[in-house]
Amino acid sequence: GNSVTQMEGPVTLSEEAFLTINCTYTATGYPSLFWYVQYPGEGLQLLLKATKADDKGSNKGFEATYRKETTSFHLEKGSVQVSDSAVYFCALPFSSGSARQLTFGSGTQLTVLP
Amino acid sequence: DTAVSQTPKYLVTQMGNDKSIKCEQNLGHDTMYWYKQDSKKFLKIMFSYNNKELIINETVPNRFSPKSPDKAHLNLHINSLELGDSAVYFCASSQGTRADTQYFGPGTRLTVL
Repeated sequence: GNSVTQMEGPVTLSEEAFLTINCTYTATGYPSLFWYVQYPGEGLQLLLKATKADDKGSNKGFEATYRKETTSFHLEKGSVQVSDSAVYFCALPFSSGSARQLTFGSGTQLTVLP
Repeated sequence: DTAVSQTPKYLVTQMGNDKSIKCEQNLGHDTMYWYKQDSKKFLKIMFSYNNKELIINETVPNRFSPKSPDKAHLNLHINSLELGDSAVYFCASSQGTRADTQYFGPGTRLTVL
């Protein structure tokens, strides 16, 4: 079935550093791919998504490109801020009977130091 | 304008007790979910309802019983609480059974003593 493998954390960076969080996937076909973010004490929220191969999703300075050749959807940001400290989850959908659900990666904790 | 709300935010209780968590969404969505997040942040789906009908029921002890009185509400009742039930429980909603973008509530942190 569909699954994602996400870079282990935690990741600690200084403000303005470059961020990459790796995500690779195994899937039947070419499903949409997602990055969700969970800020401290909150629920998850959609950060960005890409719906087909070679699409680039972007939001709040974060980007991820859907690469079918390498089955990857790595999250990047050129200059992180302290406010980016959060847990980041890669996700993709899979079918469960007549319904579809999301499978999430294990999450990567990012801490940005001033 | 809270989109997905949960009550309570914190729940501390003794082993063996029965407790409920409530979830409401005002997004007009027809599909709702319950997730469990453990201490390592691993997120696992428990249940999903579409228009009050159960459509996803993962391997969850039958001490957990979801109830959806209408498509805007999905409650979770847990009987005979155990230490291992301690976690953060998230409610989420989406539009349609094949929709991928989900909107999450703020979570309920359950601690079983």
